Amino acid sequence: EPEVTQTPSHQVTQMGQEVILRCVPISNHLYFYWYRQILGQKVEFLVSFYNNEISEKSEIFDDQFSVERPDGSNFTLKIRSTKLEDSAMYFCASSPDNEQFFGPGTRLTVL
Amino acid sequence: GEDVEQSLFLSVREGDSSVINCTYTDSSSTYLYWYKQEPGAGLQLLTYIFSNMDMKQDQRLTVLLNKKDKHLSLRIADTQTGDSAIYFCAEKAGTASKLTFGTGTRLQVTL
Repeated sequence: EPEVTQTPSHQVTQMGQEVILRCVPISNHLYFYWYRQILGQKVEFLVSFYNNEISEKSEIFDDQFSVERPDGSNFTLKIRSTKLEDSAMYFCASSPDNEQFFGPGTRLTVL
Repeated sequence: GEDVEQSLFLSVREGDSSVINCTYTDSSSTYLYWYKQEPGAGLQLLTYIFSNMDMKQDQRLTVLLNKKDKHLSLRIADTQTGDSAIYFCAEKAGTASKLTFGTGTRLQVTL
């Protein structure tokens, strides 16, 4: 069964560094998403992407965040200058319509 | 704004039924979802219900929706130890693409 995959599974970075989190959505899906879950808190929506552009974003998704679909398979989340409070589990999801299928997540630790 | 609430913990004996409850505030909810998260894993979509339905059954899972009270429940029949996980309720409101998640209910299945 097709799955959403994410790399790396764990990323450790220094505060102020840039990180890129990578996702490979399910191949025939059209809608892509990033969510995050800070330890002990709810899963929070960051951004949705359709037809090569952002369709919706939350207040969390400020200028330090960007998303890209550089080729036909990858979907990336870039955090330009990481802060301590960006430490969280980041989940990618993809969707053909109303069902969203999630990847296993990337745990980001900012030191 | 949207808010989704769940109780934090539920303990049941193997073989019994589990009922996990969720309340939401947004009356424009169109789809409501149940996800399962096992330790160290991503969010697995279990089932979802369209807001014009009041019940959906899928093998051991039964979803009940009370739109008037904005209450959603997930019943797991014949609960097994493999059902031990965190269960998240989520809603999609109106024409938005994002999901709003509850806090998650940790289900513990005892022998």
